[in-house]
Amino acid sequence: DVKVTQSSRYLVKRTGEKVFLECVQDMDHENMFWYRQDPGLGLRLIYFSYDVKMKEKGDIPEGYSVSREKKERFSLILESASTNQTSMYLCASSGIEAHQPQHFGDGTRLSIL
Amino acid sequence: AQRVTQPEKLLSVFKGAPVELKCNYSYSGSPELFWYVQYSRQRLQLLLRHISRESIKGFTADLNKGETSFHLKKPFAQEEDSAMYYCALRKGGANNLFFGTGTRLTVIP
Repeated sequence: DVKVTQSSRYLVKRTGEKVFLECVQDMDHENMFWYRQDPGLGLRLIYFSYDVKMKEKGDIPEGYSVSREKKERFSLILESASTNQTSMYLCASSGIEAHQPQHFGDGTRLSIL
Repeated sequence: AQRVTQPEKLLSVFKGAPVELKCNYSYSGSPELFWYVQYSRQRLQLLLRHISRESIKGFTADLNKGETSFHLKKPFAQEEDSAMYYCALRKGGANNLFFGTGTRLTVIP
C-alpha cells in the first residue's frame, strides 16, 4: 500500500518566517505534488516534480518554492509566510505509468499568525 | 483551458435515496476523469476512475463525452457515504490533475 507521509499534521508559524513542509513517499514514484485545499476552492496545485531536481509550477506558485533532492522527498517552502497562506496543504505522489492515480498524505494544517 | 465544474457545494439526501453528484468538464482532448473522496478526518483517496469502468462502494460514474460530464451515482445512499467528493481531470499525457471545487454530501439517517 502506498504511503505518503507529511511531517506535521498541524503547524503554527508567524508572518515573515520561512516555513518548510516535508513530504516522503515510499513507492518509488517519479511524480510528486503539492496542493493547497481551501473551502469553496477545492484543491489547487502549487508545484509538482516529475524527477529529482525537476519541478514545474502549478496554478498558484507565487510565494512558494520547492525542493526535490531525493526521489522520495518533496519539500514545500514558504519563503516569507503571510496570513493568506493559512491553509491545508496536501502532498501527493504517483507513478508515470498510464492511468496511475495520485496518492495523498494526511495533510498539514498550517496557520500563519 | 481545462476546467472541472462541480455545481453543488452541498448536497443532502436521505438514507436509501438515490444520489448523483454532478461533474462537468471542459477540455478539447481526451481526458482521464477521476472521483476522489475525503471522509471525516481521513486522507483524500481515490474512489474510482473512468478508465476502470468499475463500481466502488456501490458508486458508478460514466464518462459522457457528448455532454462532457462524469457524474457520480449511487442508487441507495448510506450514512457512511457522507463525505467530501472531488471530481478531477488529467489531460492526455500530463502528470497533474485539475480538481473541481468539491461537493459535500450529507446522508440523513
